[in-house]
Amino acid sequence: GAVVSQHPSRVICKSGTSVKIECRSLDFQATTMFWYRQFPKQSLMLMATSNEGSKATYEQGVEKDKFLINHASLTLSTLTVTSAHPEDSSFYICSASLAGLDEQFFGPGTRLTVL
Amino acid sequence: DQQVKQNSPSLSVQEGRISILNCDYTNSMFDYFLWYKKYPAEGPTFLISISSIKDKNEDGRFTVFLNKSAKHLSLHIVPSQPGDSAVYFCAANVGGGADGLTFGKGTHLIIQP
Repeated sequence: GAVVSQHPSRVICKSGTSVKIECRSLDFQATTMFWYRQFPKQSLMLMATSNEGSKATYEQGVEKDKFLINHASLTLSTLTVTSAHPEDSSFYICSASLAGLDEQFFGPGTRLTVL
Repeated sequence: DQQVKQNSPSLSVQEGRISILNCDYTNSMFDYFLWYKKYPAEGPTFLISISSIKDKNEDGRFTVFLNKSAKHLSLHIVPSQPGDSAVYFCAANVGGGADGLTFGKGTHLIIQP
């Protein structure tokens, strides 16, 4: 099946710093990539949808200036959490989809802890 | 307002028996439904899906049933195995792969030996 990787798997940073999370589709070219966030014991919440070469579409309530998404190629999307605060601590998961297929393939997630 | 609801936070089933996980949705625009299995600190793993033009889809031990009029779907796992113990998420979207998913809160399935 299609494989999606994320890097890093865990990151701890100080409040006020920025953190970049990479999402890569390893064996296919993803037409669309998605970023989700999961709080403890809660559901996954869609943050944004990104298509290669165009600006990401953010869900209501998600600050686009805080969560910068760059989809530079068909195999790579990055999420940068700028000026991170403790409330940004969460589990961030990306997924990728391929044109013609309805399933989304998820990465393993990144645990962000902001001190 | 939760558009996808999984009202059972947990479910305990004996090994070998049938596990039935339920999901309700409120958005009538949803036309594609998926079930994912998830372990802690990992990404979801796709299990099975169904489009709104069908009422049943089967893949091995997994069967998903869709009742559009009731806006209800269920995942049947039979026979249940110890490795099935995980959190199961119901998800839905409009149009399939190009649309972000709306997830339910998940049901923690526990298979007892």
